[in-house]
Amino acid sequence: DAGVIQSPRHEVTEMGQEVTLRCKPISGHDYLFWYRQTMMRGLELLIYFNNNVPIDDSGMPEDRFSAKMPNASFSTLKIQPSEPRDSAVYFCASSTGGGYYGYTFGSGTRLTVV
Amino acid sequence: AQSVTQLGSHVSVSEGALVLLRCNYSSSVPPYLFWYVQYPNQGLQLLLKYTTGATLVKGINGFEAEFKKSETSFHLTKPSAHMSDAAEYFCAVSEIGADGLTFGKGTHLIIQP
Repeated sequence: DAGVIQSPRHEVTEMGQEVTLRCKPISGHDYLFWYRQTMMRGLELLIYFNNNVPIDDSGMPEDRFSAKMPNASFSTLKIQPSEPRDSAVYFCASSTGGGYYGYTFGSGTRLTVV
Repeated sequence: AQSVTQLGSHVSVSEGALVLLRCNYSSSVPPYLFWYVQYPNQGLQLLLKYTTGATLVKGINGFEAEFKKSETSFHLTKPSAHMSDAAEYFCAVSEIGADGLTFGKGTHLIIQP
């Protein structure tokens, strides 16, 4: 099992540019979560999907953020346009059965917006 | 809404000493409880979890945690710290039937040689 795979590992972009982060969950997992980690705010849940359907996007900070899950093996988190305050580590996690079994996290994407 | 409080953003112990990381939660009913560890530049890794049954839970790398309902606590311990234990530790809760986890702010564990 390759675990949760995120790409890219690092992304540096200029303010105003579009950024797309990618995630491949563990095969068979029916939940996918996107988190953002910063020193100031810690871990924040942005959005999560169950069976490819977005369930709760109340954590998405602004309309500049959007997420999709076109199939069970792929999800994207897009920021357009990006701003310096979006700089953070973005984690994808997947699970089976929601919170009961805990999550498996990817290694994260470190985003720097200059 | 449930919340998680981790006392101490930084904890420093000597190698070989007892590790104690504190976690308290607020929930109307006993939730599911988790401890995760994050090593530098890596994702979070599940250390242990409590769902039902025995209140003392053993995890990986010699860590264990005890669920105390009366104290709404789930503190993480390890009898003897090792240099490789230096990392960030997160406590998390999930209400029964809920999909998501709520994480604490994290505790950075420093091991002094």
